[in-house]
Amino acid sequence: QSVLTQPPSVSAAPGQKVTISCSGSSSNIGNNYVSWYQQLPGTAPKLLIYDNNKRPSGIPDRFSGSKSGTSATLGITGLQTGDEADYYCGTWDSSLSAGEFGGGTKLTVL
Amino acid sequence: EVQLVESGGGLVKPGGSLRLSCAASGFTFSSYSMNWVRQAPGKGLEWVSSISSSSSYIYYADSVKGRFTISRDNAKNSLYLQMNSLRAEDTAVYYCARGEGSTSSYWGQGTLVTVSS
Repeated sequence: QSVLTQPPSVSAAPGQKVTISCSGSSSNIGNNYVSWYQQLPGTAPKLLIYDNNKRPSGIPDRFSGSKSGTSATLGITGLQTGDEADYYCGTWDSSLSAGEFGGGTKLTVL
Repeated sequence: EVQLVESGGGLVKPGGSLRLSCAASGFTFSSYSMNWVRQAPGKGLEWVSSISSSSSYIYYADSVKGRFTISRDNAKNSLYLQMNSLRAEDTAVYYCARGEGSTSSYWGQGTLVTVSS
């Protein structure tokens, strides 16, 4: 059971927008930066968003992140079939002194 | 270019031991914390352990505390994970990742550990 809660799956049509939520608590999301990772089938995870809303070099601005209180959201616009992947949120839990990941959300582009 | 290459995975019997290594290149290894993250077959990501740049701070998930030991050799640009008393539930792909605050910014390709009799 993950400390961070994500929906198991989301889906949308090509060209549309989707959001993925990540819910936590004051000891993790509420007081630490959130990151988002994309894991394409059969590959290692890749950083998409760090420090709540920053994109590493090379990540298109179709991907965005936000945080409010103890929840964070990943947004993806202009969906492409190549965006089909598992998406994970991650952060540090200050009370547990441990890293935490959400359970992951499978994105299907219909 | 940042590169992280894990090695040392394989098949081990329950109760056995294994030492994973992660060779880093393309960045100043001694300036960054490092993480181990694992992924059981068909499951999500699980944080395993983190070590600060100078090894002053070390953290473990409760699921591995007392059985796994993280270490690093900054002179060799290498990260290690000594895994003892292995259990079936430790079966997973183990990734090393460069740490930046609460973020794992770069990931290796992973090494598979299978614990089975």
